[in-house]
Amino acid sequence: AQTVTQSQPEMSVQEAETVTLSCTYDTSESDYYLFWYKQPPSRQMILVIRQEAYKQQNATENRFSVNFQKAAKSFSLKISDSQLGDAAMYFCAYRSINTDKLIFGTGTRLQVFP
Amino acid sequence: GAGVSQTPSNKVTEKGKYVELRCDPISGHTALYWYRQSLGQGPEFLIYFQGTGAADDSGLPNDRFFAVRPEGSVSTLKIQRTERGDSAVYLCASSLLVRDYGYTFGSGTRLTVV
Repeated sequence: AQTVTQSQPEMSVQEAETVTLSCTYDTSESDYYLFWYKQPPSRQMILVIRQEAYKQQNATENRFSVNFQKAAKSFSLKISDSQLGDAAMYFCAYRSINTDKLIFGTGTRLQVFP
Repeated sequence: GAGVSQTPSNKVTEKGKYVELRCDPISGHTALYWYRQSLGQGPEFLIYFQGTGAADDSGLPNDRFFAVRPEGSVSTLKIQRTERGDSAVYLCASSLLVRDYGYTFGSGTRLTVV
């Protein structure tokens, strides 16, 4: 069975600085998808970025980018130029190409200080 | 509607009671998902629907939990004989197609069993 591990329960960053959130996963599959979701206090899960495992190029969405290391089964999220609105819970998630289930990690709470 | 709507936003019920949680997906979305998020955890998959049928209900924890989607739109998650351990946020998501990247989540229903 696949598992997702987020080893940082909390992280903090100063506004305008850069922060990296860690995620590792375990799977025996060679093709899959990885996601980062943001969950603000409103509870709605918002997709931040996604990565297809067959793509070697790291995904980028504006200030958000990932460092995908397939061999190491690592999928970290880098937030550049952090903003106060980035403060939230961040969840890493895995999805097999054969199912529709998302498997989530336990999350990292990001605080952003002015 | 413009987004995924979940009602009620919060629900407090007594142990042993029956509850229904409603999810109104984005109009036209064929796939609908239910997840449960316990305190301090990431969401865990419960069930998903393709149209009116439950395509995968492997995440339902026991036979007290049941979900329906009779007309392929609105879904209701039903919990019988509630227990304190059922207290969690229940999240619903929908997507245009099964295995679509673009799940849209609702803001969830926070269920508290006292």
